[in-house]
This record gives sequence, C-alpha cells and structure tokens, in this order.
Amino acid sequence: QKEVEQDPGPLSVPEGAIVSLNCTYSNSAFQYFMWYRQYSRKGPELLMYTYSSGNKEDGRFTAQVDKSSKYISLFIRDSQPSDSATYLCAPRWTNAGGTSYGKLTFGQGTILTVHP
Amino acid sequence: DAGVIQSPRHEVTEMGQEVTLRCKPISGHNSLFWYRQTMMRGLELLIYFNNNVPIDDSGMPEDRFSAKMPNASFSTLKIQPSEPRDSAVYFCASSLGAGFYGYTFGSGTRLTVV
Repeated sequence: QKEVEQDPGPLSVPEGAIVSLNCTYSNSAFQYFMWYRQYSRKGPELLMYTYSSGNKEDGRFTAQVDKSSKYISLFIRDSQPSDSATYLCAPRWTNAGGTSYGKLTFGQGTILTVHP
Repeated sequence: DAGVIQSPRHEVTEMGQEVTLRCKPISGHNSLFWYRQTMMRGLELLIYFNNNVPIDDSGMPEDRFSAKMPNASFSTLKIQPSEPRDSAVYFCASSLGAGFYGYTFGSGTRLTVV
C-alpha cells in the first residue's frame, strides 16, 4: 500500500463549480499537509499547507485535514479555467521524531480541468 | 528572482550514454532536492543536500545515478550509463532552511532515453 493515495482523475468541471480534491494516507506520523499545484510542463508550486487537523482557508481555496480518518481535502470555490492543473497532496513528518528535514511524500496528483 | 533554473529543458539520448542534468538553486537557499516524476511512480525524492552536503540519498535508484553540489549555486545529477527506464522528468527544488514549509521547484528536465 502506498503511503499516500490520490485519485488521478481526470476531473472535469464547469467554470464556477465547487471542486473537491482528496487524498488518504497511511502513516500516522504525518503532521503537516501540503498541497501543490502543477501546470502542464511546469514544476509543482506550493499552494497551501496545514498543520494537524482542521481547516485553513486562503481565498477560494480551503484545505481540510481529518487525522482520525487520515483524509486530506482541498476545496476550490468558484473554480476558474486558470485552475486547470494537476493538484498534488504532500504530507510530511513532524520536525521532531521524524526526518531532520522537510521530506515530502507526494500523492500521484489529480488532473483537474475547468471548462468555460 | 529568477527562481530555480534547470538545464537542459529537454534531453534525448541513446541508451548507454552519460547524461548530466544541471540545477541552479535560488540565491540564498541552502537546501536542494532532486526529484523524478513519472506517470507510474509520481514524484520521487532522489537526494537531498543541505549546505552543499548530501544528507539523504536513499532515493537514488542505483549506482548509475550520482549527484554533486560543488557550491551553493550549482548542482548536477548524472546518469551513467543511461537506460530507457530512466526516462522521466527530473526536477530540482530549493528552500531556505531544511524545507519544512515547502520548497520551490524548477521547471524540470524532460529526459528521454532511446
């Protein structure tokens, strides 16, 4: 079993839709949860990150972590064609007791297309 | 800031040839990561440098792969000899500190070994 599972999609939605992207993970030592966005032919870019359980909102994006079920979500409100990209979840260990650096374990990524 | 710069953007080589990928991290960043991305395996960490010293190379697939960081502004990833299964996009990323809060990726080198 992979440490991080993510449905690769592809996911196609109309402009303005609410998008839900999800990951599950198996390693309970993960404490920080990051979301990266990757446009075609580009490197991943950090979108947002959360610590432990709870929600974090940044503009149209909301990241949600449920550690009890080992489930990570990213919601995109009022989706735009410019949101079309691959979204990768990337949890990592806590600083203490884990690796000595921010080693990320990436999911496979979900391909999202928002059509006008 | 020019970001993380990788060269070449594309590389096509024949099996058995030596391939060298190059990376210039963001000025001032002291951590550097090499990743490989394929459809089958996703993004995999190959090696991590901190202050030019290799800290974790457990992801390097085999002895054919080697990485160096001779100074704070340059790193190379070498494959010798190359094989078709090495075909992938190779990313370099850098961060200030140990990358606990994410890192900045370059645009990658798309390697095709025929």
